[in-house]
Amino acid sequence: SAVISQKPSRDICQRGTSLTIQCQVDSQVTMMFWYRQQPGQSLTLIATANQGSEATYESGFVIDKFPISRPNLTFSTLTVSNMSPEDSSIYLCSVEFMNTEAFFGQGTRLTVV
Amino acid sequence: KQEVTQIPAALSVPEGENLVLNCSFTDSAIYNLQWFRQDPGKGLTSLLLIQSSQREQTSGRLNASLDKSSGRSTLYIAASQPGDSATYLCAVGSGNTGKLIFGQGTTLQVKP
Repeated sequence: SAVISQKPSRDICQRGTSLTIQCQVDSQVTMMFWYRQQPGQSLTLIATANQGSEATYESGFVIDKFPISRPNLTFSTLTVSNMSPEDSSIYLCSVEFMNTEAFFGQGTRLTVV
Repeated sequence: KQEVTQIPAALSVPEGENLVLNCSFTDSAIYNLQWFRQDPGKGLTSLLLIQSSQREQTSGRLNASLDKSSGRSTLYIAASQPGDSATYLCAVGSGNTGKLIFGQGTTLQVKP
């Protein structure tokens, strides 16, 4: 299993600003994933972050809006840039071990006002 | 394109009842299927993982089955308790990319 810590757990931000979310894993993993959960909705994958390479974004998500860093095998950040109220969501970091279970952080609840 | 559907969207049962949550997927070529629990405003807790070669997995009062040919999975909860109240999410892994495609979830309320 894995223990995943996300920071911050929640934040209220002004529109037009940016927020960087941190994800720390207690063991080394190859792939880390960032998901978004809009209010009342299920989870949607934003991007896959591999160490040493650029993140791979899913359709509808772009690097300018959601830049991702992956400096090592235990850490990643997701930035939500130039925020608008439509960005209000829960953002979740996830990892998968050896093609087995996926584990999630506790999420970051973002409210943009 | 894989699509995952969960029925019902919401369910309310009295304590002690056995219940079944349903998950269906459109593409049977899945890598695995995982059931999660999400409490309000929180992250996801993994409940059960079923590999594509498996038919079912059990953990305590939970049993998950998988029928790839029909594109269905069920999560059976025995002797439900108020503490089981949460949203249950089904997620399909397509290929060994690690990406998961989620259903919309079933919100369960177990009344004392």
